[in-house]
Amino acid sequence: LAKTTQPISMDSYEGQEVNITCSHNNIATNDYITWYQQFPSQGPRFIIQGYKTKVTNEVASLFIPADRKSSTLSLPRVSLSDTAVYYCLVGDKRGTGKLIFGQGTTLQVKP
Amino acid sequence: SAVISQKPSRDICQRGTSLTIQCQVDSQVTMMFWYRQQPGQSLTLIATANQGSEATYESGFVIDKFPISRPNLTFSTLTVSNMSPEDSSIYLCSAMTASTDTQYFGPGTRLTVL
Repeated sequence: LAKTTQPISMDSYEGQEVNITCSHNNIATNDYITWYQQFPSQGPRFIIQGYKTKVTNEVASLFIPADRKSSTLSLPRVSLSDTAVYYCLVGDKRGTGKLIFGQGTTLQVKP
Repeated sequence: SAVISQKPSRDICQRGTSLTIQCQVDSQVTMMFWYRQQPGQSLTLIATANQGSEATYESGFVIDKFPISRPNLTFSTLTVSNMSPEDSSIYLCSAMTASTDTQYFGPGTRLTVL
């Protein structure tokens, strides 16, 4: 399974756009990239998933370059409630389906 | 999306006892998994719960300590056996939906072993 590398922590202010980049140099052909958000004492919450190029939903965008060795989660206009840990994972969802969690990025949004 | 519930949500147990955690999904799923999250740490995959057969365990986890059942497509149990204080963690189940191949997580079971 491909290992991912993310910044340990990031700070931002309310209303700003936040971009969290994840490195996954050993991503396999069948791997998808998935991002989760976790608040204290809760299970991870699915944010977005993609294979290549750009994916957008109602809460975030995911940018994946052509070589797929990295990806960037973009959160538009963050609020205090976006303070959480964000995990980037890669895995073959149609194979074993296993997701191996790294340390994640702790995002602190300040007023 | 899938709604996943876990029972109990939390428990305090005595050393040497066992606790069974239940995981129920409200829709058809293909795969189910169990994770452990120790305080302040990331999630660690314990095993894949296979329907009708023995679970597939990750390195460092064994069936005698963490027996898992999955009698049907939407239900699984994890037992933490012969508990010690080191087993104090949050245990989470997850499931991959059949429709979107997206993995969703339950709210977790907070276990404290005294």
